Amino acid sequence: EAGVVQSPRYKIIEKKQPVAFWCNPISGHNTLYWYRQNLGQGPELLIRYENEEAVDDSQLPKDRFSAERLKGVDSTLKIQPAELGDSAVYLCASSLDQNGLFFGSGTQLSVL
Amino acid sequence: GQSLEQPSEVTAVEGAIVQINCTYQTSGFYGLSWYQQHDGGAPTFLSYNGLDGLEETGRFSSFLSRSDSYGYLLLQELQMKDSASYFCAVSGSARQLTFGSGTQLTVLP
Repeated sequence: EAGVVQSPRYKIIEKKQPVAFWCNPISGHNTLYWYRQNLGQGPELLIRYENEEAVDDSQLPKDRFSAERLKGVDSTLKIQPAELGDSAVYLCASSLDQNGLFFGSGTQLSVL
Repeated sequence: GQSLEQPSEVTAVEGAIVQINCTYQTSGFYGLSWYQQHDGGAPTFLSYNGLDGLEETGRFSSFLSRSDSYGYLLLQELQMKDSASYFCAVSGSARQLTFGSGTQLTVLP
């Protein structure tokens, strides 16, 4: 069974540029999460989807961040414009329930 | 809101037993999970406790006491490959999953 697939693996951009991350969850997993992880810290939830619906986006900085999950499968997370403080690893995860999340390898974003 | 506390670092020798503690505060509680993350890798699910008591999976065990808002991860027969960060995560109200800051485990030969 394929795991959670994310791309790109690494991204380097200049501040004020846009950037997008893509995630393909495990087949059959209705719940999809985007987390952000800073060095030496635990993952912090940005948004959670149940199928196509964003059920928890309270931590998403909506002035510059947006996300979508079309057809309840793949998801895209976008930042526009990026700021220096956005440098982090962006993790996508999927699950059947809250008891166990399966994470992708993440996208390491560097904003210069 | 939700908050978790766990030690930032733990060091042990190969073959030993180590316990990583986690205390939490949450409005509403569904369960406590543990994840392992190697440097440069993704978090990997280890265990989940929804009820009080001990859950055992091979060399790893996890314990929960809901009345004390406390849990721990126990790693036995430590191996070098166990060197990693370990995160506790609590499922609270609104089904949010909140992670602790992680415990860096170093296993020495």
